[in-house]
Amino acid sequence: NAGVMQNPRHLVRRRGQEARLRCSPMKGHSHVYWYRQLPEEGLKFMVYLQKENIIDESGMPKERFSAEFPKEGPSILRIQQVVRGDSAAYFCASSPPGQGGNTEAFFGQGTRLTVV
Amino acid sequence: QKEVEQDPGPLSVPEGAIVSLNCTYSNSAFQYFMWYRQYSRKGPELLMYTYSSGNKEDGRFTAQVDKSSKYISLFIRDSQPSDSATYLCAMRKGAQKLVFGQGTRLTINP
Repeated sequence: NAGVMQNPRHLVRRRGQEARLRCSPMKGHSHVYWYRQLPEEGLKFMVYLQKENIIDESGMPKERFSAEFPKEGPSILRIQQVVRGDSAAYFCASSPPGQGGNTEAFFGQGTRLTVV
Repeated sequence: QKEVEQDPGPLSVPEGAIVSLNCTYSNSAFQYFMWYRQYSRKGPELLMYTYSSGNKEDGRFTAQVDKSSKYISLFIRDSQPSDSATYLCAMRKGAQKLVFGQGTRLTINP
């Protein structure tokens, strides 16, 4: 059973371009979370999705950022018109459906975005 | 005030020492408590997962949760150089987002 797969592992974009980050959850997992990690900092929650639904996007910047988790295919985190401050490691985590949230979340290896 | 506070260290100890890592939190609604280990330029790896108060042991690792004090700990016995990493505490209520501490950078010296 493959773990959480993220691609690309490294992404370089010029200011103003779009960045698309992909996350394939573990088999059987229907919950996906995106987190951002700045250097020397902990992970900050961005968005929580289930298939075709955004459950909690309280950590997402109001502009330029969007996320989806379609019925088929990976979850996508999209950043439009990237700026240097978007440079960070973006991690995806997945967890299986569970009652009351008593399920563990497993992380991918992350996508390191560099904006030049 | 941050929801979860964790001393960022760095913490450096000799091989074989007992390591104690701690986090405090302010939200009494948190029910699930986790410790992740993160090696440089890698994703967080789940080490320990605890529900509510109490102790949990797994090999050389022991996690403690004291909800009355809003305090959690991770103990590493017989520490090894391979334990050198950043340790992140995390917690949540229900199936909601994880709230992470800043992470403690740990070095075990041979």
